[in-house]
Amino acid sequence: NAGVTQTPKFRVLKTGQSMTLLCAQDMNHEYMYWYRQDPGMGLRLIHYSVGEGTTAKGEVPDGYNVSRLKKQNFLLGLESAAPSQTSVYFCASSYAPRVGTEAFFGQGTRLTVV
Amino acid sequence: DQQVKQNSPSLSVQEGRISILNCDYTNSMFDYFLWYKKYPAEGPTFLISISSIKDKNEDGRFTVFLNKSAKHLSLHIVPSQPGDSAVYFCAASAKGGSEKLVFGKGTKLTVNP
Repeated sequence: NAGVTQTPKFRVLKTGQSMTLLCAQDMNHEYMYWYRQDPGMGLRLIHYSVGEGTTAKGEVPDGYNVSRLKKQNFLLGLESAAPSQTSVYFCASSYAPRVGTEAFFGQGTRLTVV
Repeated sequence: DQQVKQNSPSLSVQEGRISILNCDYTNSMFDYFLWYKKYPAEGPTFLISISSIKDKNEDGRFTVFLNKSAKHLSLHIVPSQPGDSAVYFCAASAKGGSEKLVFGKGTKLTVNP
């Protein structure tokens, strides 16, 4: 099984450009998450989804949009990229964030906004 | 406000000794706690978890202790190995609520040969 796959793995954007990060999971998980990791800040939740067709804001949602049109995919969009969005982005999925069910992470997308 | 706190950004131990990583939380609704391990250029991977109905969970060299009254948990690695060198994240989730994992900032563990 592939688990959680993120596309692309690296990207350089110019300020103001837009892009979409794709996350795909093949484990039939209900829950999916987008996190960003910055030095000294740990993993901060951007948006998450508790099932197909649902999305919810996390800790740092501003400047991002998400969609969960299919259960296996969770898309993260940047409409107008800013240098402050330079980060490593991680997607994760889980059956449920409850006892006995851990989240599985993708390998990350390193995004640089210049 | 940070609900999950890992106050030590880094920890260095000698191979064969015990590593103790600490985590504090503020949300009394948290009832499930996890530890993740992350190597550079990789995604975090699940290590061990504990439910709030327990105070200890063991898996090989890794043991997690939960002190609910102090809102504190710790991860013990015995004996520590150089391959354990990584960033360790503590995470928590709350019952009946927002259904999301909240992470701490991480502790970078270095195990010296």
